[in-house]
Amino acid sequence: GAVVSQHPSWVICKSGTSVKIECRSLDFQATTMFWYRQFPKQSLMLMATSNEGSKATYEQGVEKDKFLINHASLTLSTLTVTSAHPEDSSFYICSARSVQANYGYTFGSGTRLTVV
Amino acid sequence: QKEVEQNSGPLSVPEGAIASLNCTYSDRGSQSFFWYRQYSGKSPELIMSIYSNGDKEDGRFTAQLNKASQYVSLLIRDSQPSDSATYLCAVKGGNQFYFGTGTSLTVIP
Repeated sequence: GAVVSQHPSWVICKSGTSVKIECRSLDFQATTMFWYRQFPKQSLMLMATSNEGSKATYEQGVEKDKFLINHASLTLSTLTVTSAHPEDSSFYICSARSVQANYGYTFGSGTRLTVV
Repeated sequence: QKEVEQNSGPLSVPEGAIASLNCTYSDRGSQSFFWYRQYSGKSPELIMSIYSNGDKEDGRFTAQLNKASQYVSLLIRDSQPSDSATYLCAVKGGNQFYFGTGTSLTVIP
């Protein structure tokens, strides 16, 4: 089946530093990757849609200069949280659609970010 | 109005019972419907997809779709404690993909 590999699984960083999260589609090509954020006991919130070879599309209220998305190949998309602050602490999840998942979303394992 | 609505629960059922999870959606043109299970601290995993009116069964899970009434449901038969999780309904219409807020299910041993 479709697998999306995401790492790191968890990261603790100091306030003001940047953190990069990677997502790779292992057995399929993901022309589009979606990035979500989930706060405790809340639903998934779409942050941005990452398209291979073009600029990402950000949802309203998401700062594109703070959350840098790069989708340089058909199997790799990265999210960089720049100048992280404690309020950025959250669970970040990437996903992509695949034929193997009946065109549903296959999710990465998520990244738990804690900014101290 | 939210695109996809679910009762947040929590829904509690005894072990062995049938758990019924419901979801309504607003876009009548939606074509694809999905149920995901999310354990605490983990990312969602796809359980079932359904595209046509009626029932679709997969093991202990049955998805039901009624496009006229704009609802989709998930039945879990012979519920097990390991089924305790949050269940997310997702609806795709056109190029948009919307998730509900999820229903928390607890199966009591």
